[in-house]
Amino acid sequence: DTGVSQNPRHKITKRGQNVTFRCDPISEHNRLYWYRQTLGQGPEFLTYFQNEAQLEKSRLLSDRFSAERPKGSFSTLEIQRTEQGDSAMYLCASRFPRDDEQFFGPGTRLTVL
Amino acid sequence: RKEVEQDPGPFNVPEGATVAFNCTYSNSASQSFFWYRQDCRKEPKLLMSVYSSGNEDGRFTAQLNRASQYISLLIRDSKLSDSATYLCVVLHSGAGSYQLTFGKGTKLSVIP
Repeated sequence: DTGVSQNPRHKITKRGQNVTFRCDPISEHNRLYWYRQTLGQGPEFLTYFQNEAQLEKSRLLSDRFSAERPKGSFSTLEIQRTEQGDSAMYLCASRFPRDDEQFFGPGTRLTVL
Repeated sequence: RKEVEQDPGPFNVPEGATVAFNCTYSNSASQSFFWYRQDCRKEPKLLMSVYSSGNEDGRFTAQLNRASQYISLLIRDSKLSDSATYLCVVLHSGAGSYQLTFGKGTKLSVIP
């Protein structure tokens, strides 16, 4: 296991379509986070899982967004009815329970046309 | 007021220079503090944690002043490879919550 992986790396979609991203965390890490990053900004927290439980959601996560982590391993982030404002880099991170360091994946860059 | 504010960039410095980045945070209950580094089109990576006593890692020194809610990062003897965006990060955790808040980042370009 070389780190956090995310798929796809790039996604171009038309406005109104649904998209789904996948994140595979480092295997021993039971904490998993999703962030969104736009140009010139730092990552913004979206949601947080401890094992399969979604413990926290940001107000940025509108009802068009849903995240799951069904077996406490990989996670998916779905955006329904995409809008141009959803265009961003979506980053996943994971961490070991006793450590503060979060390890980030390479991200999925979403472009909504 | 933004939760985490950093010096606006970019910083363009010659090789060998010393450069300092400043950061302030608004939530006085924040517990932990970090500097992350992000290369262009790459993911953020932890550079160093920041402790109240100050800490040093080679050419990098981080300081925290809880009373002023201020964090700094000093880079001595800048290298070309230090060119990146430096993100100030603050952790606030509580019941069921564990949230990192990132600043916008300060872009550093080290010039030959």
